[in-house]
Amino acid sequence: LAKTTQPISMDSYEGQEVNITCSHNNIATNDYITWYQQFPSQGPRFIIQGYKTKVTNEVASLFIPADRKSSTLSLPRVSLSDTAVYYCLVVGAGSYQLTFGKGTKLSVIP
Amino acid sequence: DTAVSQTPKYLVTQMGNDKSIKCEQNLGHDTMYWYKQDSKKFLKIMFSYNNKELIINETVPNRFSPKSPDKAHLNLHINSLELGDSAVYFCASSPPTELWGETQYFGPGTRLLVL
Repeated sequence: LAKTTQPISMDSYEGQEVNITCSHNNIATNDYITWYQQFPSQGPRFIIQGYKTKVTNEVASLFIPADRKSSTLSLPRVSLSDTAVYYCLVVGAGSYQLTFGKGTKLSVIP
Repeated sequence: DTAVSQTPKYLVTQMGNDKSIKCEQNLGHDTMYWYKQDSKKFLKIMFSYNNKELIINETVPNRFSPKSPDKAHLNLHINSLELGDSAVYFCASSPPTELWGETQYFGPGTRLLVL
């Protein structure tokens, strides 16, 4: 079961690019990586998912190196509304294993 | 037209009581989940249901029992409530794909306080 480790918190100024890294040293061959965003008093919201290399959507990019032991969520030009907790999730495809990280609290400063 | 809904939003009750939290999704998803988020904000999966079959049960006490009357509903029953059960409980669902647990849609949460 791949456990994940993330920084507890990060601060960033508005307009900057933010990179949040998640470590998952024991990731298995069939596991894939998903990131969620959670605002206070709300349920988590899906941001992006990937298996290897780079994935990009309208919200973020996800970088996964060849060894897949870590992944980096990249948020371009953050705004105050991006202040939230970001969770890294490793899902074991076909094995019904699912582990949320402890989350990174991102604070965007004006 | 809420995708994943939970009732009630808030639940305050006494120790020893039995309570239920309801969850409904109108997304046509096959898999539904229950999560517990404690005061430290750790989000832990409790149950997962796929086509009315329990897939995983993450060592939660047997006082907790999920019940799925149909594919669109997954209710959580809690017997003999304890102080440590106080938390926010989230329901989620995901579409039928080859990747279990992919792209989950979460409900707004039910805030349970046990006195």
